Amino acid sequence: NAGVTQTPKFQVLKTGQSMTLQCAQDMNHEYMSWYRQDPGMGLRLIHYSVGAGITDQGEVPNGYNVSRSTTEDFPLRLLSAAPSQTSVYFCASRTGQGTYGYTFGSGTRLTVV
Amino acid sequence: RKEVEQDPGPFNVPEGATVAFNCTYSNSASQSFFWYRQDCRKEPKLLMSVYSSGNEDGRFTAQLNRASQYISLLIRDSKLSDSATYLCVVMDTGRRALTFGSGTRLQVQP
Repeated sequence: NAGVTQTPKFQVLKTGQSMTLQCAQDMNHEYMSWYRQDPGMGLRLIHYSVGAGITDQGEVPNGYNVSRSTTEDFPLRLLSAAPSQTSVYFCASRTGQGTYGYTFGSGTRLTVV
Repeated sequence: RKEVEQDPGPFNVPEGATVAFNCTYSNSASQSFFWYRQDCRKEPKLLMSVYSSGNEDGRFTAQLNRASQYISLLIRDSKLSDSATYLCVVMDTGRRALTFGSGTRLQVQP
């Protein structure tokens, strides 16, 4: 049981490049979400999903796309990287039952130059 | 106004001290409440859920006051290993996603 796995752990992109941050969970969790963490800003919600085929926007969705074709995977796509997207990205998941907290992956540190 | 507000600290306390963190939230539709702990450059980890009746887990006690929209965390007998940032987190009824406070940094000193 690996929990929530994020890849890559580190990435450097040039402005304008695109890439996909991968997130996979093996706990059969219905809910998944992506957050970014910037110094002094706390974690902010980018996109979230309550099940396969269902996604919605969070607080800071601009410049990011998501899809949820399976329960296990929730990739985050950066369409055209900008320096403002330099951040630490966390993926998280939880069961749809009850009021349990989310389990987080170990994060992807992204630098856009 | 931020949806979840916390004192950023840092709180510098000696080992063995009792320390309390407070948090307020603005969305009255918030359904679930949590304290997460985050170590430097690591992912947030769930410390405990917070219930209206109050709940305790060893040296940690959490309280929720829905009328005042206020959440607290009390740490007794602080250990060096408690040094971290403590995040106040709420989850609303609709989105089932989390809203985070900016965190309160705790440094326990020998």
